[in-house]
Amino acid sequence: EVQLLESGGGLLQPGGSLRLSCAASGFTFSNYAMSWVRQAPGKGLEWVSSISGSGGNTSYADSVKGRFTISRDNSKNTLYLQKSSLRVEDTAVYYCAKTVAAQVDYYMDVWGKGTTVTVSS
Amino acid sequence: DIQMTQSPSSLSASVGDRVTITCRASQGISNYLAWYQQKPGKVPMLLIYAASTLQSGVPSRFSGSGSGTDFTLTISSLQPEDVATYYCQKYNTVPLTFGGGTKVEIK
Repeated sequence: EVQLLESGGGLLQPGGSLRLSCAASGFTFSNYAMSWVRQAPGKGLEWVSSISGSGGNTSYADSVKGRFTISRDNSKNTLYLQKSSLRVEDTAVYYCAKTVAAQVDYYMDVWGKGTTVTVSS
Repeated sequence: DIQMTQSPSSLSASVGDRVTITCRASQGISNYLAWYQQKPGKVPMLLIYAASTLQSGVPSRFSGSGSGTDFTLTISSLQPEDVATYYCQKYNTVPLTFGGGTKVEIK
């Protein structure tokens, strides 16, 4: 069974840093691009970032470019999102999602349960 | 960047009604469009990809159509378990933009 399990969320102050992790199982991790999608409280889905299966190609939403870094460790079947210079508007549930191909520009067929990040002073 | 606009933002319909949700892209995206369903308090789930291909396991009352800039998601006979928010997403290229969502409720 394909599973994605996010961790690392919490309560932080503005300007802080945090690293989210997503442990994958049930599929050949390196064959698929992975994405982070977030959902602010009561709001819709917002794509944050994607990384190709090899890790060689990354993309970011303008709202997080320069502040967030996506990476992956294919030997550990784990996806990461390093977040810095956090803002109140980064408060959201962060979902890890598996893309259906190795390239980043595809849809997502499996989603994790999400981890909550709250940025507040 | 291409913007994705959904309409309506919410709707209320009776069980058994035919429901149609529209998604419009600000530029042509061929058929690189997916639809997701998010039930209250749950994780998003893929319903349709390539504008009209049903994901495995999705009930046949769901269907998608469109190409270019205009797309529709149709529920042929609304069921109580279909109460959810529905999102379209473009994936022809990054950014992988989502529409604002359409909340579907039972009247």
